[in-house]
Amino acid sequence: NAGVTQTPKFRVLKTGQSMTLLCAQDMNHEYMYWYRQDPGMGLRLIHYSVGEGTTAKGEVPDGYNVSRLKKQNFLLGLESAAPSQTSVYFCASTNRDPPSYEQYFGPGTRLTVT
Amino acid sequence: KNEVEQSPQNLTAQEGEFITINCSYSVGISALHWLQQHPGGGIVSLFMLSSGKKKHGRLIATINIQEKHSSLHITASHPRDSAVYICAVREAQKLVFGQGTRLTINP
Repeated sequence: NAGVTQTPKFRVLKTGQSMTLLCAQDMNHEYMYWYRQDPGMGLRLIHYSVGEGTTAKGEVPDGYNVSRLKKQNFLLGLESAAPSQTSVYFCASTNRDPPSYEQYFGPGTRLTVT
Repeated sequence: KNEVEQSPQNLTAQEGEFITINCSYSVGISALHWLQQHPGGGIVSLFMLSSGKKKHGRLIATINIQEKHSSLHITASHPRDSAVYICAVREAQKLVFGQGTRLTINP
């Protein structure tokens, strides 16, 4: 199993450009999450999905959109990047039911917006 | 006030010392996670627990549901234990994270 993978690993964008981050998991997990991690702020939830075709807003959703067209993939889009979106982005997945609540994280995407 | 508070925020110790990191939370939870993140690295799940105590090698995690408190202990600490340790609590479908504790073990 590859676990949770993220594409790309690094990206530099200019203000106003758009991009899509791809998260893929091969563990048949129902739940998937996008987080951002900033120095001194800890991990903050951007959007999440509890199943194929469903998405919901997290703590810091503004400026981001997501889609979950296939169970194994969760896409995070930035339509018009801003310097405030410079961050490290982590995707994670987990099973729906206990006791399998363990969260599996992707390796992260380091995004810089200039 | 954050829903999940960790202490200390930073901890420096000598190799071999016994380490304790604390996590207090203010909400009802179904599970608590301890995660590890090495510098520049990904995030790895160390423990998930909803009651009692779990042990894995030199790491021990405990939780007291009534007091809404969890501790992560490292016995015989080693420089390779240097990392950020993150406590997270599960509320329904989501995790709420603490700020993390940066641990440095000097040889």
